[in-house]
Amino acid sequence: QSVLTQPPSASGTPGQRVTISCSGSSSNIGSNSVNWYQQLPGTAPKLLIYSNNQRPSGVPDRFSGSKSGTSASLAISGLQSEDEADYYCATWDASLNGWVFGGGTKLTVL
Amino acid sequence: EVQLVESGGGLVQPGGSLRLSCAASGFTVGSNYMSWVRQAPGKGLEWVSVIYSGGSTYYADSVKGRFTISRDIYKNTVYLQMNSLRAEDTAVYYCARQLTIWGYAFDIWGQGTMLTVSS
Repeated sequence: QSVLTQPPSASGTPGQRVTISCSGSSSNIGSNSVNWYQQLPGTAPKLLIYSNNQRPSGVPDRFSGSKSGTSASLAISGLQSEDEADYYCATWDASLNGWVFGGGTKLTVL
Repeated sequence: EVQLVESGGGLVQPGGSLRLSCAASGFTVGSNYMSWVRQAPGKGLEWVSVIYSGGSTYYADSVKGRFTISRDIYKNTVYLQMNSLRAEDTAVYYCARQLTIWGYAFDIWGQGTMLTVSS
């Protein structure tokens, strides 16, 4: 059971906007920035969003992140078939003294 | 090119030991936080261990006392020595760089190396 809670699955049709939530507590999301990762099937994870809402160069602006209190969200607009992947949130947890990941959300493009 | 390449995975019996390596290119491991993250088959990501640029090391409770992270700045390589291996340690092990200025995000990942613990 992950410290950060994500829905196990999400779906949308091409062109649609989808959001993936990540819920934590005061010891993790509530006091630290959140990062998001995309993992395409059979590949290593890739950094998608850092420091809550910043995109590394090369990541399309269709991807955006936000944080409020002890929760964070990843939004994907203009959904494309190549966005079908697993998405993970992550942050530092001061109680565990380590980095923690959400359980992951499998995004299906219908 | 900034890159991480892991090696050393394989099949080990329960109770056995193995050392994973992570060779970096395009940057210096000694100037960065370097972590190991694992992913059991069909499961999510789990942070395992980190070595800070200053040399301090930290571990997930699940591996504390059994795993040791280290680095060789001359070989620009990070290692994960794994002892007393258990079936639940079976996973793909990824090496990743963490950028402190980017909220400690894991910005560069290796391709992963598979560890199977089984008799």
